Amino acid sequence: TAGITQAPTSQILAAGRSMTLRCTQDMRHNAMYWYRQDLGLGLRLIHYSNTAGTTGKGEVPDGYSVSRANTDDFPLTLASAVPSQTSVYFCASSDGGELFFGEGSRLTVL
Amino acid sequence: GQNIDQPTEMTATEGAIVQINCTYQTSGFNGLFWYQQHAGEAPTFLSYNVLDGLEEKGRFSSFLSRSKGYSYLLLKELQMKDSASYLCAVSNDYKLSFGAGTTVTVRA
Repeated sequence: TAGITQAPTSQILAAGRSMTLRCTQDMRHNAMYWYRQDLGLGLRLIHYSNTAGTTGKGEVPDGYSVSRANTDDFPLTLASAVPSQTSVYFCASSDGGELFFGEGSRLTVL
Repeated sequence: GQNIDQPTEMTATEGAIVQINCTYQTSGFNGLFWYQQHAGEAPTFLSYNVLDGLEEKGRFSSFLSRSKGYSYLLLKELQMKDSASYLCAVSNDYKLSFGAGTTVTVRA
């Protein structure tokens, strides 16, 4: 059972470079989310999508963009990475109930 | 916005009971979730409360009081594998806002 697949698992990125974190789900869930998790701050919502073709801003959207061209894919792009974007990023999906999370992508920006 | 508070750390003995409290202030409410997260892993769903009262699921129970903005997660018969972070999350407009998590350490 795949569920939600994130890639890459881990990445080191130079400041100023762009990066896309990939997220794919096979559960046909309408809603998808991107969170970042930082020590002491918990999970914070970056962007979300209630259905294919729509996106919305979460609590910490600055410096990130998303797209939702179809039901399965929800990539997160950092146009010009900064060190404060060093974090663990989790993609999640939902059919209106609980969230199902991917395994996370650990990003380090130097 | 949401304001969700839970203790940072708790320690308990194997076989004991631990109660993790969560208080919240929110502009809207669709329900309250508890998740478990082991170090280096993704959060996994434990429980969901939308009405006041107690929901029991095996060794784990969760309680909600909407009027008090209060929930707790009760872990009974603690096992070493229960050492993890426990995340309280409030659903508003079907988006979850999370507390910072409570790290539970189970000692032999």
